[in-house]
Amino acid sequence: GPKVLQIPSHQIIDMGQMVTLNCDPVSNHLYFYWYKQILGQQMEFLVNFYNGKVMEKSKLFKDQFSVERPDGSYFTLKIQPTALEDSAVYFCASRGQGAHTGQLYFGEGSKLTVL
Amino acid sequence: GQQVQQSPTSLVLQEGENAELQCNFSTSLNSMQWFYQRPGGSLISVFYNPSGTKQSGRLTSTTVIKERRSSLHISSSQITDSGTYLCAMEQGGRALIFGTGTTVSVSP
Repeated sequence: GPKVLQIPSHQIIDMGQMVTLNCDPVSNHLYFYWYKQILGQQMEFLVNFYNGKVMEKSKLFKDQFSVERPDGSYFTLKIQPTALEDSAVYFCASRGQGAHTGQLYFGEGSKLTVL
Repeated sequence: GQQVQQSPTSLVLQEGENAELQCNFSTSLNSMQWFYQRPGGSLISVFYNPSGTKQSGRLTSTTVIKERRSSLHISSSQITDSGTYLCAMEQGGRALIFGTGTTVSVSP
């Protein structure tokens, strides 16, 4: 089936450093999402993105977070600077139909550990 | 409060037993999706089920949109069914909102 690829699968960084998480969405999909899951806790929505713009974001999407997809390449989540509470698994998702219709396809997640 | 309530929180099964997982929504919804999350963390879509009943192998999902509920039935459970089952809903104009999950453990 359709695949969403995430790179890296795991990253360890020091607090205050910058990190970029990369997502290669399903080909021809137009709507992209990031979710955050702290170990053992609920999956929580961060942001969704379409046509070069943030469409919707949650309270968890702090000012230190940014997303972009330059020239149809990776859809990225950048955190600058990182904080201890940013340690979590970040899941990317994409869908091809309207922003709120059709199935979401998720990647395997990028585990971020902030020391 | 929680917009998506899942029950039970956890479930222990003997291999071969059936199970029913419930998902209830506190608000109206456009559609919902069931996911399976492996112990390692990756998320697999099980059903995209706006309404009605769908079956895939030993799994059956039934969603009644107007009653704001969905169920996932596992028949003849196997050890490989162990993991966390998540339901998620879409409200009009909002992103997918997840429940807290049901952790299923199947033993021989």
